Amino acid sequence: QVQLVQSGAEVKKPGASVKVSCKASGYTFTNYGVTWVRQAPGQGLEWMGWISAYNGNTNYAQKFQGRVTMTTDTSTSTAYMELRSLRSDDTAVYYCARPSVADRSRFDYWGQGTLVTVSS
Amino acid sequence: QSVLTQPPSVSAAPGRKVTISCSGSSSNIGNNFVSWYQHLPGTAPKLLIYDNSKRPSGIPDRFSGSKSGTSATLGITGLQTGDEADYYCGTWDSSLSAVGFGTGTKVTVL
Repeated sequence: QVQLVQSGAEVKKPGASVKVSCKASGYTFTNYGVTWVRQAPGQGLEWMGWISAYNGNTNYAQKFQGRVTMTTDTSTSTAYMELRSLRSDDTAVYYCARPSVADRSRFDYWGQGTLVTVSS
Repeated sequence: QSVLTQPPSVSAAPGRKVTISCSGSSSNIGNNFVSWYQHLPGTAPKLLIYDNSKRPSGIPDRFSGSKSGTSATLGITGLQTGDEADYYCGTWDSSLSAVGFGTGTKVTVL
């Protein structure tokens, strides 16, 4: 069965970076992309961007351009999301999700979420 | 800064029906498929509806979706206490080249 398993919670200081991992199993990793979505406390879902696991092409939300890097390691079927220059409003639960090939807004499978807390 | 607008909350008694609207524009809902997600606190979002009105396997037919023009609607019939959650619409926005989610709607079972 398809599974996306994310790394554990992180606590970071303002200005630091965080790198969250998402290990996929149960399907051919390179046949799909990986999307990252976050939810800050009391806020809604926010799409951060997408990476193709086939060729590494990325599409980042304008809000995160220059501050986020998404990568994949096809040898371990793992996707990574690194966010730099962290601020307190980056405190959120970060999810990876597998988008459908046919519709980039259709996410059939999700990781369990990773809480990132930014605090001095 | 969601591109899709939903009512903040809806409520109804057990067994009744609720509908949740999702309003967008021609650059998103008007020309792209809409998905709907159920999000319970502390869990990952769950896909309820895709391609405007299709249900993934395992999703009961109490959940339905529709789209007309630049708006979409999620319906939940036979409301149960387990349906208490936040619900989000989502679609591709061709102008932004990004996925947009709705503002989210909290469903309360009275």
